[in-house]
Amino acid sequence: EAGVTQFPSHSVIEKGQTVTLRCDPISGHDNLYWYRRVMGKEIKFLLHFVKESKQDESGMPNNRFLAERTGGTYSTLKVQPAELEDSGVYFCASSFRTVPTYNSPLHFGNGTRLTVT
Amino acid sequence: KQEVTQIPAALSVPEGENLVLNCSFTDSAIYNLQWFRQDPGKGLTSLLLIQSSQREQTSGRLNASLDKSSGRSTLYIAASQPGDSATYLCAVTTITQGGSEKLVFGKGTKLTVNP
Repeated sequence: EAGVTQFPSHSVIEKGQTVTLRCDPISGHDNLYWYRRVMGKEIKFLLHFVKESKQDESGMPNNRFLAERTGGTYSTLKVQPAELEDSGVYFCASSFRTVPTYNSPLHFGNGTRLTVT
Repeated sequence: KQEVTQIPAALSVPEGENLVLNCSFTDSAIYNLQWFRQDPGKGLTSLLLIQSSQREQTSGRLNASLDKSSGRSTLYIAASQPGDSATYLCAVTTITQGGSEKLVFGKGTKLTVNP
């Protein structure tokens, strides 16, 4: 079974540019999550998709961030325009169940390290 | 607001030693608690998940306990090995107003096991 895959693994962009991160969840997982870790801070929740619908986007920092999951398969997270404080590691995770359990855990991707200069 | 704290931030031990990592959380209204492992440049791997009604879970050399009323969890690693070197993250699952599950993470404990 392929795991959660994220592209790119690293991205370096200048302030003001646009970046799009992609996440391919495990096949059959309706639940897809985005999390972010900025330097020196905890990993924090950004949003949750159930299939193509946004279940909760309360963690999105501001309107420069746009997440989509057209067709309920892969998801993209666009940052436009990027600011210095957006630098960090962006993780995607997927699960079969809405709430993780022992036999249906949350699977994380390796993350995309974003550096805004 | 739920906050998760992990102590210590870093730990270095000789191979073979038993060790304990600590995690505390401020709001006892959690659905479950998980311990994750993160290797450099990699994603998070779930090690143990304890439901809020449970007191502990064991997997191999790992044992995690949960005291929900006091807001504490410990991860015990027996007979540590150099391959255990990684960052260990504690996270509690809460349910948002939108009905979504959300993990609230601590900053992690960076463990180094020296040969």
